[in-house]
Amino acid sequence: ETGVTQSPTHLIKTRGQQVTLRCSSQSGHNTVSWYQQALGQGPQFIFQYYREEENGRGNFPPRFSGLQFPNYSSELNVNALELDDSALYLCASSIKSSGANVLTFGAGSRLTVL
Amino acid sequence: GQQVMQIPQYQHVQEGEDFTTYCNSSTTLSNIQWYKQRPGGHPVFLIQLVKSGEVKKQKRLTFQFGEAKKNSSLHITATQTTDVGTYFCAGPGSNYQLIWGAGTKLIIKP
Repeated sequence: ETGVTQSPTHLIKTRGQQVTLRCSSQSGHNTVSWYQQALGQGPQFIFQYYREEENGRGNFPPRFSGLQFPNYSSELNVNALELDDSALYLCASSIKSSGANVLTFGAGSRLTVL
Repeated sequence: GQQVMQIPQYQHVQEGEDFTTYCNSSTTLSNIQWYKQRPGGHPVFLIQLVKSGEVKKQKRLTFQFGEAKKNSSLHITATQTTDVGTYFCAGPGSNYQLIWGAGTKLIIKP
């Protein structure tokens, strides 16, 4: 059973640029959620994808967007990067049918915006 | 909006001492989950509590869910260096999200 994998692990961008982060969900999981974790804080929910559609979104602006593919992998895209977007971006997969929404996280992508 | 508060922010203990973190929700929760994040790592699921007043144990870790399902605690007996990390509680919110506490960082004094 493979876990959740994310790429890239680290990246540096400048303000105004765009970034795409990728996530492969754990085998057997059909739902992907993305979280932003600033240093010293708890994860903040960005959005969740199920059946290739966004079905839940946190308090993030539209320049944060995503995709889920038929194989349940996912992308997070952030446009017009701002300095405050510097954070660890965590992808988590789960099984929607379980109802418990227990999350299995990837190791994260650490984004630095200069 | 819905909030999950967690205290303390940090706890320094000598190895062998006990550790406790407390979690309070502004709303009644259907369940509460606990995660551990090692330094430089990612959150790892520990346990989920569902029933009012539920108590679950995992070796030296004891988890409780309050009678009103608005608070929870995690107690670690006789801490070891492997326990170092940040412990988060999280409860379900709207829009399929988990609402997370800010975490309690367990630090073992040298």
